[in-house]
Amino acid sequence: EIVLTQSPATLSLSPGERATLSCRASQSVSSYLAWYQQKPGQAPRLLIYDASNRATGIPARFSGSGSGTDFTLTISSLEPEDFAVYYCQQRSNWPLFGQGTRLEIK
Amino acid sequence: QVQLVESGGGVVQPGGSLRLSCAASGFTFSSYGMHWVRQAPGKGLEWVAFIRYDGSNKYYADSVKGRFTISRDNSKNTLYLQMNSLRAEDTAVYYCAKDRAGGQYYFDYWGQGTLVTVSS
Repeated sequence: EIVLTQSPATLSLSPGERATLSCRASQSVSSYLAWYQQKPGQAPRLLIYDASNRATGIPARFSGSGSGTDFTLTISSLEPEDFAVYYCQQRSNWPLFGQGTRLEIK
Repeated sequence: QVQLVESGGGVVQPGGSLRLSCAASGFTFSSYGMHWVRQAPGKGLEWVAFIRYDGSNKYYADSVKGRFTISRDNSKNTLYLQMNSLRAEDTAVYYCAKDRAGGQYYFDYWGQGTLVTVSS
């Protein structure tokens, strides 16, 4: 079974700063990786699919990159509403999520 | 706009059963695969089950195989999850989610979730 490991577990940054979140797969998932944002008490929201494609309505400050086993979600300049938990998800076989990265205000 | 509204959650004893429903609107329900995804309190996300747009194929996570059944009624724009032999570890918020396209296994719209608590 493919395992996704997200790092760091918690990231403390200030609004306006750049955020870089990592997701590493235990074996290649090609480009079959997505990123989701989840705020407290809300359902997740799809941000990025196929490693680098922004979902409908997602601001351009969110970008994804990577292939194979190493992936990155970058938020170019943090807005107050971006502080949340972020999950990566692979679909190479069955859908599987990483354990999440909590992005908190410094 | 796309809307997914889950219902049917509640408190059930171990070994009991529950049926969840998800009413869909704002898109052509019969053209898309649908999923159930759950989240235990304070934990991460776990995919549970998928059903193709026409109901012809169904897939399950190992943790629920043989106990849960996903189904759909395209005439009613409704997705279901029949949960039998429930265990404490099934306690979670259950979300229905729309497949992005063609069985891609990406979830582009989610409901608000319904809480299932398995406890004696």
